[in-house]
Amino acid sequence: EGQLLESGGGLVQPGGSLRLSCTASEFTFSNYAMNWVRQAPGKGLEWVSSISGSGFRPFYADSVRGRFTISRDNSKNTLYLQMNSLSVADTAVYYCAKIRRLGTACCDAFDIWGQGTMVTVSS
Amino acid sequence: DIQLTQSPSSLPASVGDRVTITCRANQTIDKYLTWYQQTPGKAPKFLINDASTLQSGVPSRFSGGGSGTDFTLTISSLQPEDFATYYCQQSYSSPPSFGQGTKLEIK
Repeated sequence: EGQLLESGGGLVQPGGSLRLSCTASEFTFSNYAMNWVRQAPGKGLEWVSSISGSGFRPFYADSVRGRFTISRDNSKNTLYLQMNSLSVADTAVYYCAKIRRLGTACCDAFDIWGQGTMVTVSS
Repeated sequence: DIQLTQSPSSLPASVGDRVTITCRANQTIDKYLTWYQQTPGKAPKFLINDASTLQSGVPSRFSGGGSGTDFTLTISSLQPEDFATYYCQQSYSSPPSFGQGTKLEIK
């Protein structure tokens, strides 16, 4: 069915940077668009960013555009999220999630989720 | 951007109850509505897509309905493992968006 495993979270000061990784297994990674979704403590789910299977079509939420960069290395079955200029408002568990349908660049159900990695922005 | 509003935000219920959660969109999203279940400390679990298509392995006591702007998630007979938070998500247009969640609590 597929598995996703995030890493790279941690404690960072406001204004700092962090890079998250998400390693995929048990499915053909390059065939599917991938997403980052975050959840602030005690809050709901917020879509952050998505990227097509080829890596050429990134999309961003307004709240992170210009600060976060999504990318992928299909040879390593890995998705990334480079986060710069972090603020307290970015504190959340970050999940990577796979798009359900083959070849869809955007806008479908997220059928496989990682376990999440916690990012804490604090001085 | 499309906004989704779930009701209620909290729903006290008992094992064996039939419960319904509503998700309303501020514009039409056709059938492109997904439901997830999340338990504390865990990732969301994909339950239903396209408003009413049950994901493989999801118990048949779960069902989804609706189209356009109004959608429902119904659990026909609550089991102890169903007490969780449920989220709807629209995949009609970018950016994808989620409802604020409905917490199903033990009465």
